[in-house]
Amino acid sequence: AQSVTQPDIHITVSEGASLELRCNYSYGATPYLFWYVQSPGQGLQLLLKYFSGDTLVQGIKGFEAEFKRSQSSFNLRKPSVHWSDAAEYFCAARGGSNYKLTFGKGTLLTVNP
Amino acid sequence: SAVISQKPSRDICQRGTSLTIQCQVDSQVTMMFWYRQQPGQSLTLIATANQGSEATYESGFVIDKFPISRPNLTFSTLTVSNMSPEDSSIYLCGETANTGELFFGEGSRLTVL
Repeated sequence: AQSVTQPDIHITVSEGASLELRCNYSYGATPYLFWYVQSPGQGLQLLLKYFSGDTLVQGIKGFEAEFKRSQSSFNLRKPSVHWSDAAEYFCAARGGSNYKLTFGKGTLLTVNP
Repeated sequence: SAVISQKPSRDICQRGTSLTIQCQVDSQVTMMFWYRQQPGQSLTLIATANQGSEATYESGFVIDKFPISRPNLTFSTLTVSNMSPEDSSIYLCGETANTGELFFGEGSRLTVL
């Protein structure tokens, strides 16, 4: 079955520190991959996506993600975290011709001052 | 991306009643999606709504409980029928852009007492 796994339920970092959120997928073929952010009381905002090509993709708010086929991973990174980055982050995937998104369970990010 | 507006943004309802959530998109879109996010959980697809045809429901969701309308290319509604406290969730409407991403509205936060 197709699945998306986010191994870390909750991560705490200090403001200014680097961040990496993990995401692994299990699909028959390489899926389309996405990262979304959900701030408290808000909807989901798309941070970035990977469809094909360059395996390092840049997104909004200074985030980037790297697709690694050998590890079935699509980890999200940010070199320096800001307090406003505190939110829940969801990794998601879908097949090329199927628009149904499968979401991971999310990683809650806390940023300490 | 299109701007997606949902109403109501939040509501508190009594057990046994029904609530209709509206989703308005500021441009014509082919596919619209309804997701549910239960407290502390990830997102689960309820159904896909295409204009001019009946909605396609995911396993575990039925039309009698979650009737959906899609009268035109910019509007859809989801009704949560005969509500119970287990229906307390965030309900999100989404649409797929021509470039393949899925964008969401701000969500409708429903509490059932």
